[in-house]
Amino acid sequence: NAGVTQTPKFQVLKTGQSMTLQCAQDMNHNSMYWYRQDPGMGLRLIYYSASEGTTDKGEVPNGYNVSRLNKREFSLRLESAAPSQTSVYFCASSEGTYGSYEQYFGPGTRLTVT
Amino acid sequence: GQQLNQSPQSMFIQEGEDVSMNCTSSSIFNTWLWYKQDPGEGPVLLIALYKAGELTSNGRLTAQFGITRKDSFLNISASIPSDVGIYFCATSGTYKYIFGTGTRLKVLA
Repeated sequence: NAGVTQTPKFQVLKTGQSMTLQCAQDMNHNSMYWYRQDPGMGLRLIYYSASEGTTDKGEVPNGYNVSRLNKREFSLRLESAAPSQTSVYFCASSEGTYGSYEQYFGPGTRLTVT
Repeated sequence: GQQLNQSPQSMFIQEGEDVSMNCTSSSIFNTWLWYKQDPGEGPVLLIALYKAGELTSNGRLTAQFGITRKDSFLNISASIPSDVGIYFCATSGTYKYIFGTGTRLKVLA
């Protein structure tokens, strides 16, 4: 039981390049999330997927797209990377979205855009 | 937007000391969660609180859901070096989950 896994762990991109961050969970959770973490800013929600087949914008969605490929997998795509997207990206999952469901996080992807 | 204010932002303590930190908001919430993030890792859930006034322990950690439902407290007793890390409070809000900016804890042996 691996929990939430993310690939890659580290990535360096040049401005304008694109890439997809992958996330998978094996806990049969319905909801999945993408956050970014910047120094002193805590965790900010980029996109979330309440259930398979649905996605919604979070607090900071600009410059990102997501795909909920199936119940297990939720990917985050940067179409044209910018230096402002240098951050640590975390994927998380929970049993549900509303109410009192604890989130479980992956180990993170450290992205640098030059 | 909704915000969670954590204090202190950082603290250095001696091994063996007790630690207290808190999280406050101007809004009322039904859930308070406390996470710990080790350097280079993702946050890990420590304690979940679901009822105003609730006091819950997990080993040396004790957390309380404030009676006003606008705050929560986390205490760590007899700190040890592996307690180092960032502690986040979180709750559910407009974007489903809101995180505080964290309390960075450093333990001096």
